[in-house]
Amino acid sequence: AQSVTQLDSQVPVFEEAPVELRCNYSSSVSVYLFWYVQYPNQGLQLLLKYLSGSTLVKGINGFEAEFNKSQTSFHLRKPSVHISDTAEYFCAVSVRVAMDTGRRALTFGSGTRLQVQP
Amino acid sequence: NAGVMQNPRHLVRRRGQEARLRCSPMKGHSHVYWYRQLPEEGLKFMVYLQKENIIDESGMPKERFSAEFPKEGPSILRIQQVVRGDSAAYFCASSPIPSGANVLTFGAGSRLTVL
Repeated sequence: AQSVTQLDSQVPVFEEAPVELRCNYSSSVSVYLFWYVQYPNQGLQLLLKYLSGSTLVKGINGFEAEFNKSQTSFHLRKPSVHISDTAEYFCAVSVRVAMDTGRRALTFGSGTRLQVQP
Repeated sequence: NAGVMQNPRHLVRRRGQEARLRCSPMKGHSHVYWYRQLPEEGLKFMVYLQKENIIDESGMPKERFSAEFPKEGPSILRIQQVVRGDSAAYFCASSPIPSGANVLTFGAGSRLTVL
């Protein structure tokens, strides 16, 4: 079974500083990778996804992530954060679980709380 | 396109009562997923349903929890005889096809508090 590890439960950072949120996964088969953001008392919004192709993926709100197959990582980065980026960020991995239908299952990490301070 | 609609947004129940959470998927989506988020934890998969069928319920507790997605109407997650440990945010997501490349669209969640 696949697992997703987000190494940091909380990341405090000052406004306009760069940030990296780390994500590692365990699956050895073909994976799709996602980062979601959850603002307080809201649902999840997709930030970006990697399905194939270029390993550097750009998402919304200035975020980007890099897929590193050899290190089984998909770290999220932003060169300069804003107060409004304060939220919970979830990494997720999708792997195929049914060969006949192509159905895939999505597994989430435990989340990283990004706290941007003025 | 109203997105994935969940209600109620907040629900308070006393121990032993029943909780019913509803999820209306996006228009045209026939695949619904329920996830549970316990305090300070990530989302855990509970169940995956298509219209009138449960496809995967491997994440559902064996007792007290059930889910349905009827031909007409929203998907329902039902928790009988709630206990304090059921307090969590329950998220529904929908997809037009089995999820994967087609990203799930999440609702805003239903937050259950058991007193």
